[in-house]
Amino acid sequence: DGGITQSPKYLFRKEGQNVTLSCEQNLNHDAMYWYRQDPGQGLRLIYYSQIVNDFQKGDIAEGYSVSREKKESFPLTVTSAQKNPTAFYLCASTTRLAGGPQDTQYFGPGTRLTVL
Amino acid sequence: DAKTTQPTSMDCAEGRAANLPCNHSTISGNEYVYWYRQIHSQGPQYIIHGLKNNETNEMASLIITEDRKSSTLILPHATLRDTAVYYCIVRLFNNDMRFGAGTRLTVKP
Repeated sequence: DGGITQSPKYLFRKEGQNVTLSCEQNLNHDAMYWYRQDPGQGLRLIYYSQIVNDFQKGDIAEGYSVSREKKESFPLTVTSAQKNPTAFYLCASTTRLAGGPQDTQYFGPGTRLTVL
Repeated sequence: DAKTTQPTSMDCAEGRAANLPCNHSTISGNEYVYWYRQIHSQGPQYIIHGLKNNETNEMASLIITEDRKSSTLILPHATLRDTAVYYCIVRLFNNDMRFGAGTRLTVKP
């Protein structure tokens, strides 16, 4: 089945530790995205990548880092510099960044990170 | 900031049509209207999108006003599984997907 996978579903870490969230897609999509969602809130864009080895900051990139070494993978690292890392993290992908209806954004199931 | 305004919550009786409104008075001529929904603790699910014309698919219908300043998502026969938060988004590019707080739809038996 084609789709986007995120692992793990739930993640617990101690304060001050870096943690990496996985996102993999087998849709052959070029563009990938990371969002953060806080309780009762909408989604906010952290980082996005249009092609391999290239990525741009979104609205709330501080305290996060990403890499895009492979087309299928776009891992997100939550660093100790992120002041409030506890949140629901969502990964998404599209065929390309800019475009019309054929470039609908599809989401993974999310990872809920709790920092103790 | 989201470019849309939606009611915070709505209720709908099971089997009836659910009509979810969205205001997007600042929409530009080439921005699309998208609707997604999110069931608790899951990723958002794409529902439908449109530019100017009304659209229908197996999940819902989208009615866009002639001036494009507002739209309505219609779930023709709501079921309990349609209970979710529904997001209305206007966007040109995929890095401009601004999700607001959405409308929490509760379908009641």
